[in-house]
Amino acid sequence: GAGVSQSPSNKVTEKGKDVELRCDPISGHTALYWYRQSLGQGLEFLIYFQGNSAPDKSGLPSDRFSAERTGGSVSTLTIQRTQQEDSAVYLCASSLYRDNEQFFGPGTRLTVL
Amino acid sequence: GENVEQHPSTLSVQEGDSAVIKCTYSDSASNYFPWYKQELGKGPQLIIDIRSNVGEKKDQRIAVTLNKTAKHFSLHITETQPEDSAVYFCAARRNYGGSQGNLIFGKGTKLSVKP
Repeated sequence: GAGVSQSPSNKVTEKGKDVELRCDPISGHTALYWYRQSLGQGLEFLIYFQGNSAPDKSGLPSDRFSAERTGGSVSTLTIQRTQQEDSAVYLCASSLYRDNEQFFGPGTRLTVL
Repeated sequence: GENVEQHPSTLSVQEGDSAVIKCTYSDSASNYFPWYKQELGKGPQLIIDIRSNVGEKKDQRIAVTLNKTAKHFSLHITETQPEDSAVYFCAARRNYGGSQGNLIFGKGTKLSVKP
């Protein structure tokens, strides 16, 4: 079946611009996660959605970062006024429930010039 | 909060040799320890996991061991093959009185298997 998909696969933007990254989780998965992977670093947790509950935003690095999940399915991660340090691969994952295996998408590589 | 340290950062082995990657964690309440494999241009994929009520788990050429007292866990790959070349991440997750926390990842190990 279809896995987690993300778009775009690559995004180049200028400093100060806003960007939106999209994640389509596996159908039926109630949990959705966003991670950031900087060069040579591990995965840094950003935000977690579970069903219709309020998201866990504890990993968002600043108020320039926000995310929403519409209808319990598709999610969008928005970065406002991008900075060069935002350059990274942004990974989305979904799982059936929180305690189940997380399936990752291929990521969006963001480059801020 | 939880902190996961992973070593080595790079590992090169000859095909057929074994590879061992080690991780330590700081939070004694962590009870779930997955390992992910990330190939170039792809997202991480779960290859094996272990929970704190088990000391060792095997799946064909892959095994994971857990020492709760020392707070470290290791990934063992035997009879390595070129297709094992990838970046491997360990992670830990704690249980908050029945509620799961978030996965905390190590910084990864780049494994190269030379034919």
